[in-house]
Amino acid sequence: QSALTQPASVSGSPGQSITISCTGTSSDVGGYNSVSWYQQYAGNAPKLMIYEVINRPSGVSNRFSGSKSGNTASLTISGLQAEDEADYYCSSYTSNRVWVFGGGTKLTVL
Amino acid sequence: QITLKESGPTLVRPTQTLTLTCTFSGFSLGTSGEAVGWIRQPPGKALEWLALLYWDDDERYSPSLRRRLTITKDTSKRQVVLTMTNMEAEDTATYYCVHRSCGSDCWSRPHFDYWGQGTLVTVSS
Repeated sequence: QSALTQPASVSGSPGQSITISCTGTSSDVGGYNSVSWYQQYAGNAPKLMIYEVINRPSGVSNRFSGSKSGNTASLTISGLQAEDEADYYCSSYTSNRVWVFGGGTKLTVL
Repeated sequence: QITLKESGPTLVRPTQTLTLTCTFSGFSLGTSGEAVGWIRQPPGKALEWLALLYWDDDERYSPSLRRRLTITKDTSKRQVVLTMTNMEAEDTATYYCVHRSCGSDCWSRPHFDYWGQGTLVTVSS
C-alpha cells in the first residue's frame, strides 16, 4: 500500500483560503468515503479535523472543510489564521481494510 | 472521556524486540465496534499506520511490517500491547496509541478520534 501524495508545503496570508490535496488510488481515496484529515503542531499528537471526507468533529472550526473528486481528496481552510500554521496529514481506509497516510503538508501562514 | 497513554522503553538495541503498552480509559474493548491501534512517526517524517485490534480480536497489520508486528489486548486491564521484532535504527520514532469506534459497520467511521500523547523510542546500540 503506497502512501498518499500530498504537497510538501503550502502557504497563505491571514484571511486567505488554502487547499491541500491528497491523491491516492481507486483502492483507497477513490473507492470509499473514508478520508480523514489530521492537524499536528510540533511536538504534539495529531488531532482529527475532518472524517469521512466532509465531516467535522465537534469543536473543529467550520473554517475547515473537506471534499473529494475521483482519487483526490482536499482540505480547505478558509479565513486563514496564524493558529492554523501546522502540519496536516490525510489518511484513507483501503480495500485491504488497513490504513494509509499521506506524506504530510506543512502549512505556513505568511 | 476517552484517554490513551503509551508506555514502554525509550531505548532499544538493534535486533531486540520492542514491547509497547497502551493503557486506556473511557471505553471498553469488550464493547462491539471498539478498536485500539498504533501509529508511528519518525523524527521529522510522516505518520505511518502500524496495526489495529478490534473488540472481536480481529487484527489488522500494515502489509509492509506485518511479519514483525503482533497486537494483543487485556480487556480487563484496559490495555493493548504492540510488539515489534528485530528493531532497527529506522524504527526510531514516536509511537502513538489511537482509538477507533466503528459501531455496527466497520466500513464506516474509519478514522482515529482519540490519540495518546506518544512515546519516543530510539533504536541505538
